[in-house]
Amino acid sequence: GAVVSQHPSRVICKSGTSVKIECRSLDFQATTMFWYRQFPKKSLMLMATSNEGSKATYEQGVEKDKFLINHASLTLSTLTVTSAHPEDSSFYICSARAEGGRADTQYFGPGTRLTVL
Amino acid sequence: DAKTTQPPSMDCAEGRAANLPCNHSTISGNEYVYWYRQINSQGPQYIIHGLKNNETNEMASLIITEDRKSSTLILPHATLRDTAVYYCIVRAKNNDMRFGAGTRLTVKP
Repeated sequence: GAVVSQHPSRVICKSGTSVKIECRSLDFQATTMFWYRQFPKKSLMLMATSNEGSKATYEQGVEKDKFLINHASLTLSTLTVTSAHPEDSSFYICSARAEGGRADTQYFGPGTRLTVL
Repeated sequence: DAKTTQPPSMDCAEGRAANLPCNHSTISGNEYVYWYRQINSQGPQYIIHGLKNNETNEMASLIITEDRKSSTLILPHATLRDTAVYYCIVRAKNNDMRFGAGTRLTVKP
């Protein structure tokens, strides 16, 4: 299957700092990427849909000024958690949609574990 | 809002077939059935998907009922490494993927 990478895999930061997470589709182009977050023992929650060359679409309840998304190329989307607080600590997972074919399958990255002290 | 219903947990003996059910009674004609799994704290791994015909690949088989209101994912010979949370998702092309609670499959020696 298609490969999606994320960097970093884990990050620890202090409250008030900003953290950037990169998501790359390594062997395919993705016009559309997605960002999810997952709390312990919970399912994945969609945060936003990232479209190359245009603004991201955020889910209800997700602050767009806090979670900045940039999708500048067909293989890279970034999520920046601004002014991080301990409650932002979570597992962040990106996904890229491989286009063409009959169903446009989404492939997921390995995730980034963010801990805010 | 997940459009699927799955049992919260299942056990399976190592080497036996694991049959994971999923109900999707409100599925629309243009929606596909996708299966992913998540092992510990990793990103979800794509397994298989189908529209109305049964599908098989190197990982699993997907059996979809004729009325498309339910499906079963079959892992033919489960191993300990198949222990994971399995998610059944229905989705139309170009729509995003939304996860329910999934089924926690535990493969026991």
